[in-house]
Amino acid sequence: AQTVTQSQPEMSVQEAETVTLSCTYDTSESDYYLFWYKQPPSRQMILVIRQEAYKQQNATENRFSVNFQKAAKSFSLKISDSQLGDAAMYFCAYRRAQGAQKLVFGQGTRLTINP
Amino acid sequence: DVKVTQSSRYLVKRTGEKVFLECVQDMDHENMFWYRQDPGLGLRLIYFSYDVKMKEKGDIPEGYSVSREKKERFSLILESASTNQTSMYLCASSSTGGATYEQYFGPGTRLTVT
Repeated sequence: AQTVTQSQPEMSVQEAETVTLSCTYDTSESDYYLFWYKQPPSRQMILVIRQEAYKQQNATENRFSVNFQKAAKSFSLKISDSQLGDAAMYFCAYRRAQGAQKLVFGQGTRLTINP
Repeated sequence: DVKVTQSSRYLVKRTGEKVFLECVQDMDHENMFWYRQDPGLGLRLIYFSYDVKMKEKGDIPEGYSVSREKKERFSLILESASTNQTSMYLCASSSTGGATYEQYFGPGTRLTVT
């Protein structure tokens, strides 16, 4: 069975600085998708960024980028120029490319932005 | 924009009660999911459905059942609520086609069983 591990329960960063959230996963599949989801306080979970395993290039969405290391099974999220609105729970998630579309989530990292 | 709604944001029920959590999506998605969110455990899949009247067990189905009579609606049922089912419940939906395979989440229902 696939597993996803986020080893940092909490992280904090100064506003305008850069922070990296870690995620490792375990799978025997070669084709899959990885996601970072953001859950702001009392608000709905939204997708931040997605990475297809067959793509070597790291995904980027504005201030959010990933470092995808397929051999190491590592998928970290970098947030540049942190803003107060980035404060949230962040979840790393895995999905097989074929078959059921269910996601396997990590434990989550609570990110605090210090003004 | 995709919209996933859940019938209640907060719910308090007594042990032994039958509890219904409703989820509705407005984007004609084939797939719908129920997750349970607990601190330190992340989100865990309870059940999912890939078509009307179809359902599959997730990782923690014990104590739960589901119903999907219409494409847009997916219900989670706690037949006899217990205190260990106190949790945040999140519904999500996704399309089988499309390029993003993104799951869209509802706002969640925080259920307390006393």
